[in-house]
Amino acid sequence: GDSVTQMEGPVTLSEEAFLTINCTYTATGYPSLFWYVQYPGEGLQLLLKATKADDKGSNKGFEATYRKETTSFHLEKGSVQVSDSAVYFCALREAAGNKLTFGGGTRVLVKP
Amino acid sequence: GAGVSQSPSNKVTEKGKDVELRCDPISGHTALYWYRQSLGQGLEFLIYFQGNSAPDKSGLPSDRFSAERTGGSVSTLTIQRTQQEDSAVYLCASSWAGRPGLARSSYEQYFGPGTRLTVT
Repeated sequence: GDSVTQMEGPVTLSEEAFLTINCTYTATGYPSLFWYVQYPGEGLQLLLKATKADDKGSNKGFEATYRKETTSFHLEKGSVQVSDSAVYFCALREAAGNKLTFGGGTRVLVKP
Repeated sequence: GAGVSQSPSNKVTEKGKDVELRCDPISGHTALYWYRQSLGQGLEFLIYFQGNSAPDKSGLPSDRFSAERTGGSVSTLTIQRTQQEDSAVYLCASSWAGRPGLARSSYEQYFGPGTRLTVT
């Protein structure tokens, strides 16, 4: 079955540091890939998405590129802020499916 | 507009009791999902409703779990004879299922704030 593996946290960074969260997946066909973010005390929000190979999703300074050859969708941000402290989830949706399959989540803590 | 709403926000119940969790999807969204977020299992799919089609129940962990969706809108997730391992945050999401010709990439799922269930 489908699965998503992402690096375990917590990841602790200083403000303005570079952030990378690795995500790899196993799926049949060509899934859509997503990053969701959960800020403290809030619900899950879609951060960015990519629906086909080599697509780059971007939002709020975050980027991730759909790499079919390495089955990866790593999340990056060049300069993090304290407000980026949250839990980040990588997820996929099968091409013909509807449900989301999530990774275990990575907690990121940005210190001033 | 209004987002997905869930009630109650918190529920504490005794082991063995039944609980009902409610989800109000975004108006016009025909697809509704339930997920569970727990420390041991992460975020996992439970059940999916789409219009009048038979629901996809493949994620329900046991026959103590059931869900219904009345009138194609509000959904209720019921857990019978609750166990301590049922303690988790139960998330509901809804999406537009679109129309012929519309890219499926538009079917973004919008999540509610969740119901935190604690079984004592």
